[in-house]
Amino acid sequence: GAGVSQSPSNKVTEKGKDVELRCDPISGHTALYWYRQSLGQGLEFLIYFQGNSAPDKSGLPSDRFSAERTGGSVSTLTIQRTQQEDSAVYLCASSADITRQFFGPGTRLTVL
Amino acid sequence: SQQGEEDPQALSIQEGENATMNCSYKTSINNLQWYRQNSGRGLVHLILIRSNEREKHSGRLRVTLDTSKKSSSLLITASRAADTASYFCATVGGYNKLIFGAGTRLAVHP
Repeated sequence: GAGVSQSPSNKVTEKGKDVELRCDPISGHTALYWYRQSLGQGLEFLIYFQGNSAPDKSGLPSDRFSAERTGGSVSTLTIQRTQQEDSAVYLCASSADITRQFFGPGTRLTVL
Repeated sequence: SQQGEEDPQALSIQEGENATMNCSYKTSINNLQWYRQNSGRGLVHLILIRSNEREKHSGRLRVTLDTSKKSSSLLITASRAADTASYFCATVGGYNKLIFGAGTRLAVHP
């Protein structure tokens, strides 16, 4: 498909385990974003990648969160030692310009 | 919310009625965007209005922007059951990241 894809669509994990969430952006989009949507916090920005520039990590809530983008395409968001408050829907978006972002379907993470 | 207030938080209407959602923001902007979200998953871009525009139309959507009041509204005319979703306004912050409002949950009943 031509849209942004994310995997897995749902992830249930135990507290303390590490998880990896994957995002495949639209081909040719240089910008990639991760957002998190949780009941108490609404939609919040996590991290931004633009081409080969250093990512903007200002939204990452703790050092347990990290992300990388390989080859300017696929991105992986890693959460180490998951906590229950990490439960949320993690949304990835890509864009070619500032006028709009294209979102994936999200990964629903549940930490037991 | 990170951005400001959206009201109402929830709106329930009948098919054929108009739905108006309002959004306020805190910072100066270049543009403001509206997104729609179905069933708590991916968001879909609906419309963008630039800071030098006051009104914009797209199909059944009408967006207004008042930069002096730092507010915007989204009007959906002749609503349909398929319009049932959550609607978010978003402004563009540094590095083009989106800063979202809290959203309005719209329910359109047949």
